Amino acid sequence: DIQMTQSPASLSASLGETVTIECRASEDIYNGLAWYQQKPGKSPQLLIYNANSLHTGVPSRFSGSGSGTQYSLKINSLQSEDVASYFCQQYYNYPYTFGAGTKLELK
Amino acid sequence: EVQLVESGGGLVQPGRSLKLSCAASGFTFSNYYMAWVRQAPKKGLEWVATISTSGSRTYYPDSVKGRFTISRDNAKSSLYLQMNSLKSEDTATYYCARGPNWFAYWGQGTLVTVSS
Repeated sequence: DIQMTQSPASLSASLGETVTIECRASEDIYNGLAWYQQKPGKSPQLLIYNANSLHTGVPSRFSGSGSGTQYSLKINSLQSEDVASYFCQQYYNYPYTFGAGTKLELK
Repeated sequence: EVQLVESGGGLVQPGRSLKLSCAASGFTFSNYYMAWVRQAPKKGLEWVATISTSGSRTYYPDSVKGRFTISRDNAKSSLYLQMNSLKSEDTATYYCARGPNWFAYWGQGTLVTVSS
């Protein structure tokens, strides 16, 4: 199985700041990576797919990058509504696997 | 508007069975792979099962293989998850999600609690 190591586990940032969350795969996943946002008590919402493609309706301050085994999610100009948990997911191979998540809070 | 509505969750004893359902609307159900993803309380996400458009191909992680069965009824735009031999570690909110690879749409989830 492909292991997804996500960091950091938690993050505190100020409004307007730029935030980066990273995911490392245990083997090359050839850009088969998605990022999700989950707010407390809500279902996950897709942000990014294919490592760097923005899902419909997602604000442009969210962006994804990376290749091979290293991927990152960047949030520019942090807004209060971005407080949430973020998860990466690889879908290059079954079983699909998720990172453990990053909890983003406001400083 | 894409909608996925899960039902069938509840409290069940260890070793017993439960069947979850997901009613889909707002898209051509038969054109999409579908999946179940679960989340234990205060924990991360775990992919549980995926089914192809026709239902002829199914995929599971080792943690549920042989105990869970995913199925679909394209005429009813419905997805199902039959869960047998339930264990306490199966306690989670179960989400229905539209595939095939990344999950663009999710339901609101249904809570399954396995406890005596």
